[in-house]
Amino acid sequence: EIVLTQSPATLSLSPGERATLSCRASQSVSSYLAWYQHKPGQAPRLLIYDASNRATGIPARFSGSGSGTDFTLTISSLEPEDFAVYYCQQRSKWPLTFGGGTKVEIK
Amino acid sequence: EVQLLESGGGLVQPGGSLRLSCAASGFTFISYGLSWVRQAPGKGLEWVSGISGNSVSTYYADSVKGRFTMSRDRSKNTMYLQVNSLRAEDTAVYYCAKAAANDGDWWFDAWGQGTPVTVSS
Repeated sequence: EIVLTQSPATLSLSPGERATLSCRASQSVSSYLAWYQHKPGQAPRLLIYDASNRATGIPARFSGSGSGTDFTLTISSLEPEDFAVYYCQQRSKWPLTFGGGTKVEIK
Repeated sequence: EVQLLESGGGLVQPGGSLRLSCAASGFTFISYGLSWVRQAPGKGLEWVSGISGNSVSTYYADSVKGRFTMSRDRSKNTMYLQVNSLRAEDTAVYYCAKAAANDGDWWFDAWGQGTPVTVSS
């Protein structure tokens, strides 16, 4: 199966700062990578699909890039509601897999 | 508005069984794939299984293959996960998630709130 490795595990930042999250695949997933935001007690929320496409209703401060094995989620300026755990997910091959997550916490 | 409502979770002994349900509304049921994704306590998201919109194809994680079975009833707009031979490591919140297409764009644009499953004696 394709293993997705996210780094860092935890990112400590202040509101207004830029967040850069990484997701590396154990083999190429082309551009078939999505990003989700997950807050405790809530359903996960799709942010980015197919590496760089923002999902409906997602603010422009969220952007995705990359292809092949290396991907990045960037939050240009953190808002208070952005502190959460972020996961990447590949749909290139079965079984679908998620990364281990990056927690973005308030510094 | 798309809504997914899970039910059927609970406390079950090791080796036991449950049937989880996901009632769907707000979209054309047979046009979209559905999946189960779980989150064990203190852990990340883990994809468990998927079924195409037309029910032709089902997919399972290796960790549940042979023990879990997905199905869907178009007359009730409901999807099911039959979970058998449960193990302690199956303890998790189980989320129902809607895919973006019948059987291709397997990223998830809508999720339920989850139903908890606890496997313990």
